[in-house]
Amino acid sequence: AQSVTQLGSHVSVSEGALVLLRCNYSSSVPPYLFWYVQYPNQGLQLLLKYTSAATLVKGINGFEAEFKKSETSFHLTKPSAHMSDAAEYFCAVSGPETSGSRLTFGEGTQLTVNP
Amino acid sequence: KAGVTQTPRYLIKTRGQQVTLSCSPISGHRSVSWYQQTPGQGLQFLFEYFSETQRNKGNFPGRFSGRQFSNSRSEMNVSTLELGDSALYLCASSSGFAEGTQYFGPGTRLLVL
Repeated sequence: AQSVTQLGSHVSVSEGALVLLRCNYSSSVPPYLFWYVQYPNQGLQLLLKYTSAATLVKGINGFEAEFKKSETSFHLTKPSAHMSDAAEYFCAVSGPETSGSRLTFGEGTQLTVNP
Repeated sequence: KAGVTQTPRYLIKTRGQQVTLSCSPISGHRSVSWYQQTPGQGLQFLFEYFSETQRNKGNFPGRFSGRQFSNSRSEMNVSTLELGDSALYLCASSSGFAEGTQYFGPGTRLLVL
């Protein structure tokens, strides 16, 4: 079965510093990978997704992620953190081992941005 | 394009009652998935409906059920509510393909007393 592991339930950075949120997946074949962000009392918003095209994926709000098959990783980065980036971030995987649109989520990483 | 809407946004119920939550997907989307989010268990998949048929089901008891109508709107029902059912219930709509983006609604927050 596919699974996702996010290393670090809480990450704290200073404003302007690099943001690195880690995600590793377990799948016998390369899956589709997603990063979502959730602000308090809201649903999930897609940041970016990997669907076997370019391994470096650029998303919204300056975020990007690199798919590394050899490391089974899909870490999320942003060069310079902004206060508005404070939120919870979820890595998720779908297909091709499972049919349809079912997403399996990691545990989430709460990002704090300090002034 | 209008986003995914969920009603109601907040609900308070007591143990033993039942509840029905509603989700209207983005126009043209045929797949609706439901997820439960709790602090302890995180985001867990409940089930997916595609063209009025349940296509995938997560590991939840039979008290959790759903359906999808011909206009792709979906409802989920929880019977005989338990305290542990208190959660944020999120609905997501998509084209139905594994690589397709799932667009989430704002969720329904259910509190069971």
